Amino acid sequence: DTGVSQDPRHKITKRGQNVTFRCDPISEHNRLYWYRQTLGQGPEFLTYFQNEAQLEKSRLLSDRFSAERPKGSFSTLEIQRTEQGDSAMYLCASSNPRGQFATNEKLFFGSGTQLSVL
Amino acid sequence: TQLLEQSPQFLSIQEGENLTVYCNSSSVFSSLQWYRQEPGEGPVLLVTVVTGGEVKKLKRLTFQFGDARKDSSLHITAAQPGDTGLYLCAGAGTNAGKSTFGDGTTLTVKP
Repeated sequence: DTGVSQDPRHKITKRGQNVTFRCDPISEHNRLYWYRQTLGQGPEFLTYFQNEAQLEKSRLLSDRFSAERPKGSFSTLEIQRTEQGDSAMYLCASSNPRGQFATNEKLFFGSGTQLSVL
Repeated sequence: TQLLEQSPQFLSIQEGENLTVYCNSSSVFSSLQWYRQEPGEGPVLLVTVVTGGEVKKLKRLTFQFGDARKDSSLHITAAQPGDTGLYLCAGAGTNAGKSTFGDGTTLTVKP
C-alpha cells in the first residue's frame, strides 16, 4: 500500500495524558499537512511542512500541540495534557505540488486517528 | 476568515434520482476542490476547478465553478447507493493544502 498511513487508527486516553500520532506520507511527497475534524464539521487546517520545515501553524494549534517532521519523511503530532475538547479525528495529508502556485496540488489523505479523551 | 457554506446539510434520495449540492462563499478562491469522505476514512479528492465558469465532468458527476470563483455546485445524475457519503468542498488561496473546508453535505442514496 503506497497511500498515506496513520497510526494508531484509534486512541482512547484520560484527560491530562499525553498522546502522539504518527503519519507516513506517500513516498517522495514533500508537503505534509495535519488537519483536525470533529463530528459534523469539515477538516480544519492545523499545520504543514515543506520537507522538514514547519512553515505554518494555525491559531487552532495551542501550545499543548507540537508537530515534527525530523527527516522530511514521517511526521508526529503530540498533544500534551489532553482535554476533552481535543477529542476529534486527526487527519494527515501529503502532496507533491509542482511550481509556485498550487492550483495543481493534489492532497492525499490518510484514514485518520480518532482520539477520544475521557 | 474565509467561510464556505454547503447546502443542504443532509440529503436522502432514492436510487436513480438526480441531485445538486451547493458550496457558497463571499470570498474569491484561486481554486476549489470537491472531496468525498466515507465514515472512518479521510477525504478523497474528486476534482479541482480553477477557472471561473469552468465545468468538469467525472462520469455521472458534474462540477461547476461560479463565474466569480466564489461558489460551486456538484450535480449527480442517476444517483447510486455507492454515491453515499459526505461531500466536502474546499476553497484554496495560493496553497491548496491550507484550504478552508465547508461542513459538507451528507448524502444517502437508498436502493
